[in-house]
Amino acid sequence: GDSVTQMEGPVTLSEEAFLTINCTYTATGYPSLFWYVQYPGEGLQLLLKATKADDKGSNKGFEATYRKETTSFHLEKGSVQVSDSAVYFCALSSTNNNDMRFGAGTRLTVKP
Amino acid sequence: EAQVTQNPRYLITVTGKKLTVTCSQNMNHEYMSWYRQDPGLGLRQIYYSMNVEVTDKGDVPEGYKVSRKEKRNFPLILESPSPNQTSLYFCASSLKGNLNYGYTFGSGTRLTVV
Repeated sequence: GDSVTQMEGPVTLSEEAFLTINCTYTATGYPSLFWYVQYPGEGLQLLLKATKADDKGSNKGFEATYRKETTSFHLEKGSVQVSDSAVYFCALSSTNNNDMRFGAGTRLTVKP
Repeated sequence: EAQVTQNPRYLITVTGKKLTVTCSQNMNHEYMSWYRQDPGLGLRQIYYSMNVEVTDKGDVPEGYKVSRKEKRNFPLILESPSPNQTSLYFCASSLKGNLNYGYTFGSGTRLTVV
């Protein structure tokens, strides 16, 4: 079945460092791809999404490009801040569109 | 404010004592779902509902029940909780069953069964 594999954490960076969190997927058809962020003690929030190949989703300085040829949707940010410390989840909506598959999550800690 | 509201936020209960976690959304969303989040396992779907009176099992439905009598509410029922149901639970909703819109999540319910 459809699945998502994302980079193991935790990831610790200094403020203003470049961030990449890798995400690859396995799916039949053409799923939509998502990144969600979970701040401490809160629910998941949609960060960005892309619904077709070569689309780039972006929000709050984060970007991810839907790469069908490599089945990837890596999350990037050029300069992280302490406030970006959170758990990040990659997800896809299955082609039957009745389910969303999540990766295991990657915890990011940004130090001043 | 558009939101998904879960209650309670925290709950400690004993094995076998029936409980209900409520979920309500004010966005007129058709699709609602329950997930549990466990360390190292990400989110796993328990049940989902495509619309009123339409529910179906997700990946881990054993030990849970749901109902969808009204569009806005989707309660999760544990008839006889066991310690392996200790987890963080999230309710989520989406405009349509086409999940290309993405989910709006509630703030979570941390359940401990002793």
